[in-house]
Amino acid sequence: EADIYQTPRYLVIGTGKKITLECSQTMGHDKMYWYQQDPGMELHLIHYSYGVNSTEKGDLSSESTVSRIRTEHFPLTLESARPSHTSQYLCASSDHRQTGYSGNTIYFGEGSWLTVV
Amino acid sequence: KQEVTQIPAALSVPEGENLVLNCSFTDSAIYNLQWFRQDPGKGLTSLLLIQSSQREQTSGRLNASLDKSSGRSTLYIAASQPGDSATYLCAVRQMGSGNTGKLIFGQGTTLQVKP
Repeated sequence: EADIYQTPRYLVIGTGKKITLECSQTMGHDKMYWYQQDPGMELHLIHYSYGVNSTEKGDLSSESTVSRIRTEHFPLTLESARPSHTSQYLCASSDHRQTGYSGNTIYFGEGSWLTVV
Repeated sequence: KQEVTQIPAALSVPEGENLVLNCSFTDSAIYNLQWFRQDPGKGLTSLLLIQSSQREQTSGRLNASLDKSSGRSTLYIAASQPGDSATYLCAVRQMGSGNTGKLIFGQGTTLQVKP
């Protein structure tokens, strides 16, 4: 069982509010990711991190920002939420230190469902 | 640009049937392919990971195959049960993506197993 946690699980907020989605993993993984998934659609990578103080934007443009101050923690922030940000946000992590490019399994959290009204 | 396609989009079968879910990808230069299960309102659970050098992986009633040259993978579920009802996603890890480990997902196949 993977140990990766996301909070909140469900959130409804008003337009213009600032929100931070929390993601923590206790596996010591170096790589962490944020994916966004609209209902019935594919997952798209919006942010990833190689390790502490390393963050990159993913394939799908997002107005959110991330930080990686600690290995275990990878929060995502929306400074001013809009209805178009309504979606499911999935955090994931993996450890590539042992196998390099071949990669290990990527573990996902249970997701945060955000609704902006 | 890598594209991942899953067919069918939805599938409904009676309990006990064996079934196959299909996944195809356009660029065979991948590191690995991973199958996930997603239950409504929940995150993803990893089912099987196949490295590019492997042909198949098995876990319980699940068997995943990979034919990298033809850009195809299948997930075989034996003796399906109502508890198998979920959306199944395949995802590839592209070569040339550096060390990011990011995945490219298909749209998923939603499976319903009827008692």
